[in-house]
Amino acid sequence: EPEVTQTPSHQVTQMGQEVILRCVPISNHLYFYWYRQILGQKVEFLVSFYNNEISEKSEIFDDQFSVERPDGSNFTLKIRSTKLEDSAMYFCASSEHRKYGYTFGSGTRLTVV
Amino acid sequence: AQTVTQSQPEMSVQEAETVTLSCTYDTSESNYYLFWYKQPPSRQMILVIRQEAYKQQNATENRFSVNFQKAAKSFSLKISDSQLGDTAMYFCAFMKGSSNTGKLIFGQGTTLQVKP
Repeated sequence: EPEVTQTPSHQVTQMGQEVILRCVPISNHLYFYWYRQILGQKVEFLVSFYNNEISEKSEIFDDQFSVERPDGSNFTLKIRSTKLEDSAMYFCASSEHRKYGYTFGSGTRLTVV
Repeated sequence: AQTVTQSQPEMSVQEAETVTLSCTYDTSESNYYLFWYKQPPSRQMILVIRQEAYKQQNATENRFSVNFQKAAKSFSLKISDSQLGDTAMYFCAFMKGSSNTGKLIFGQGTTLQVKP
């Protein structure tokens, strides 16, 4: 069964550093998403991406964050100048059509120290 | 704004028995989609079942079924013949039908423990 692949599975970074979280969505999917989950809490929407541009972003997704689809397969989330409160599980997801629901990746656990 | 509420933070069930997880939501939309996702200890989010609001019939996927009450804005998940592998956190999620983006709004989650 097709999978959404996320790398790395765990990233530890110093406060103030930049991190790039990488995702390979399912190849025929058109909609791409990033969500985050602070440990034990609810899953929060960050951003959606369609047709090579951001289609919606949450208030969490401020200038510190950016997304890119640099080629036909990868979808990245960049976090500039990380803060302690950015520590969370970050999930990438993709969808062929919104109403079918998403396939999520296995997540990247980001720890900012 | 849409909200999703899961009022049961934790539940437990004996193996082979049936359990129902509750979810309510608030929306003024008439067309929308509802989902249940499972998050086992591995932390991956797995789609369990989906329901389209304009469909009267309750969705079923093997041992998983929903009780969709549109007027009451309720979307509960029933797990029959519970198995140890069903131990996980379960999230209810809402998507506006009119959404161009497919943004999901999640509830707080219910932790389900299946006991042998």
